[in-house]
Parts: sequence; C-alpha cells; structure tokens
Amino acid sequence: DVKVTQSSRYLVKRTGEKVFLECVQDMDHENMFWYRQDPGLGLRLIYFSYDVKMKEKGDIPEGYSVSREKKERFSLILESASTNQTSMYLCASSPTTMRGGYFGPGTRLTVT
Amino acid sequence: QKEVEQNSGPLSVPEGAIASLNCTYSDRGSQSFFWYRQYSGKSPELIMFIYSNGDKEDGRFTAQLNKASQYVSLLIRDSQPSDSATYLCAVNSGGGGFKTIFGAGTRLFVKA
Repeated sequence: DVKVTQSSRYLVKRTGEKVFLECVQDMDHENMFWYRQDPGLGLRLIYFSYDVKMKEKGDIPEGYSVSREKKERFSLILESASTNQTSMYLCASSPTTMRGGYFGPGTRLTVT
Repeated sequence: QKEVEQNSGPLSVPEGAIASLNCTYSDRGSQSFFWYRQYSGKSPELIMFIYSNGDKEDGRFTAQLNKASQYVSLLIRDSQPSDSATYLCAVNSGGGGFKTIFGAGTRLFVKA
C-alpha cells in the first residue's frame, strides 16, 4: 500500500510566521504535489515536483515555496503566513500523472 | 480557463439503487480521467481512472467517457450507505502534462 504521511494533522500559526509543512511518501514515486482544499473551491494545485530538486508552480503559488531535497520528501513553506492561507493542505504522490495520485491525510492550518 | 465542472449535489439515492455522477471538462486534449472519493474530514482516495481509449468497470463502479461531449460519468451499482461521500472528478491536462485539474465534487447520500 502506498503511504503518504504529513507532519501534522492540525496546526495553528500566527500571521507573519514562517510555516513548514512536511510530506513523506514511501513508494519511490517520482511526482509529488501540494494542494489546498477550500469549501466551494475544490482542490487547487500550489506546486508540484517531478524529480528531486525540480519544482513547478501550480495554479496558486503566490505566498508559497517548496523544497524537494530527497525523492521521498516534499516540503511546503509559507514564507509569511496570512489569514487567507487558512485551509486544508493536502500532499499527494504518484508514479505517473496518468494514473492518479495518492493523498496524505492532510494538514488543517489555521492562521490567526 | 481549463475547468472541470460537477453538480455539487447533494445527490440522494436509496440503498440498492444506481447512483450516477457526472462531470464535464473543457480541455479537449485531456488524456486521463479520475474519480476520487472523499469522506467527510478525510483526504481524497482514488477509486477509478480511465484513459481516453475506453470505459472501465471495477466491482460496483463503472467509469465512462464521452469524448465528443467532454463528459465523464461514474456509476455506482447497488449503492450502500457507506458510499455516502463527496466524489471528485479530475482530469489530467492534455499532452501528458503534470497538472491534474479537480472538480469541486458532488456529495452523494445513500439512504438506508
């Protein structure tokens, strides 16, 4: 079974803080993704990576950055958290985008 | 703007009936199509994927593609209360690209 884990299920941060969200997958997948999910807006792609040290912007990259130093780990960084970044953050991995992705349990981030 | 659209529901069906979920997509070059199930408070789980060359049946689930109408459907036969969830349709962007675009989801409620 594919296992994708995320560092925290719930996180509360203050405006202006730097926030790190970690994601680890154990299936040697090439591709990893960060999404955020908001009611009525569905899943929106923030960043993705198709190889170590490679990254591509998704649809809403503003205010975020990512790091992929090792194949199994993909980190999402909120440089200066703002209240509009309060959301559910979902990490996913896949061997190929043609076959869909496997999601981690999600991190519900609240920025106050 | 490339989009995937779904009726938000809720779609309510009695136990044992066929549930029919649909989505439309705008990118004619899309090559692969996915259905995810998301229980309340949980992350999406991939349940079916099909390519542009045909439909697929897996147990009680059937995914169908109508390329001419740019329409994807998911049929759930013998619906069970445990099928009650939000179903997300997703489409891989044309040309085998890395971006998967998600619909906002349809809530399904199966009445016992």
